[in-house]
Amino acid sequence: GENVGLHLPTLSVQEGDNSIINCAYSNSASDYFIWYKQESGKGPQFIIDIRSNMDKRQGQRVTVLLNKTVKHLSLQIAATQPGDSAVYFCAETGGSQGNLIFGKGTKLSVKP
Amino acid sequence: DTAVSQTPKYLVTQMGNDKSIKCEQNLGHDTMYWYKQDSKKFLKIMFSYNNKELIINETVPNRFSPKSPDKAHLNLHINSLELGDSAVYFCASSPYPGNTIYFGEGSWLTVV
Repeated sequence: GENVGLHLPTLSVQEGDNSIINCAYSNSASDYFIWYKQESGKGPQFIIDIRSNMDKRQGQRVTVLLNKTVKHLSLQIAATQPGDSAVYFCAETGGSQGNLIFGKGTKLSVKP
Repeated sequence: DTAVSQTPKYLVTQMGNDKSIKCEQNLGHDTMYWYKQDSKKFLKIMFSYNNKELIINETVPNRFSPKSPDKAHLNLHINSLELGDSAVYFCASSPYPGNTIYFGEGSWLTVV
C-alpha cells in the first residue's frame, strides 16, 4: 500500500545531543515530503519540507535528508532541546488527488 | 491571529447523539481537510474539499457529513455517535491539493 512507516516509534536523547528520526516511504512516485512536529495537546506544525529533486535541505537546527534510491527520509535535529520533545511525523504526497499521507509518528523525548 | 481555528476544542457526548465541529481558515487557501487522529497518534485523512468541492472522501461511515459553505469554512457533522468515534479531529488547509497542510489545534471528541 501507499503507507509511510517509521523505523523507531520512540526516541530518547540527552539534551544537547543530535537527534535523527527516520521514515520509510513506499510510493516511489511521491515528489513532496514534509516533516511535522506535534506537541502534546496541539495540532501538527510544519517543520521543513523537501521536494524529490533535492537530497538535502537545511533549516534552523533541522536538516531533512531524502534518499530516493531506498525511499528513505530522515530528520536531523541539532543540539536537541527540551522544547523539541514532541511526536514527529513524516508525510508524503502519495495519496489520491495528491493529498498528504502521514506516517505513524515518532515520539522524541529529551532528557535534561 | 489564528490561521486554522476549530470549535469546540473539547466535546463529551453520549452515544447516539449528533454533533458538529466547525472549522474556519483565514489563510486564503483553496483546499481544506478533516483528519482523524486515533489513540496511537495515527493521522488519517477523512475528507478534502477544494474550492467548496469534495475531492477526497475516504472510507468514512456516512454518519460523517462534511459541509463547506465557502472555501474558508469546512464543518463536520456526525450523526448517531458511536464509542469508536472517540478521537481527535483535525481541520487543516493548504493552498492547493498536495501542498503544505496547516492544521488547527484539534477537537477532542469523547463518546460515552
